[in-house]
Amino acid sequence: DGGITQSPKYLFRKEGQNVTLSCEQNLNHDAMYWYRQDPGQGLRLIYYSQIVNDFQKGDIAEGYSVSREKKESFPLTVTSAQKNPTAFYLCASKGGGEQYFGPGTRLTVT
Amino acid sequence: AQSVAQPEDQVNVAEGNPLTVKCTYSVSGNPYLFWYVQYPNRGLQFLLKYITGDNLVKGSYGFEAEFNKSQTSFHLKKPSALVSDSALYFCAVRRLSGNTPLVFGKGTRLSVIA
Repeated sequence: DGGITQSPKYLFRKEGQNVTLSCEQNLNHDAMYWYRQDPGQGLRLIYYSQIVNDFQKGDIAEGYSVSREKKESFPLTVTSAQKNPTAFYLCASKGGGEQYFGPGTRLTVT
Repeated sequence: AQSVAQPEDQVNVAEGNPLTVKCTYSVSGNPYLFWYVQYPNRGLQFLLKYITGDNLVKGSYGFEAEFNKSQTSFHLKKPSALVSDSALYFCAVRRLSGNTPLVFGKGTRLSVIA
């Protein structure tokens, strides 16, 4: 997991609240990604950013928002519009053709 | 469009026996193929990748994978399984050209029994 940090490891929120997940990398990578992992569904791409101040929607962007104001940071906000936010969220960055993953944040919304 | 299929949700193998975790892919153009491993409540760890060259790719922890262009497959193999290999394995693909994100399979849970 080295080089990419995600905090916190576990996060609990009440339904209707927005929550922001942190992702920081010190690998000097331009591209960063957010995936959602649910049991039996693998990893699904939420948003990605190829460069600072630019980002694109992935396959399941509805109910999420991102920003990329700094190269090393790519925070993900899970909004109240996301119908099923409880999941394991993984951040990644890309360098040398490979994607490197952070340790993940497990979000539970009740 | 790119896609990956991992046809087995679960693979069970006895310790010391060879293991295979299957992966087939679909991509326009030449593929860039990966295998990652995930231990419980952790991020994904890179195992190996295929870009071009030898069809047999060697990676971390004694794993290897064989690229078969005609069958569009990239199966993960290990000659002798260890209990510590028990984990969730993901195959991923993207086009070699361009800068598209990786597309992942649904994962295969490997259980190595002592």
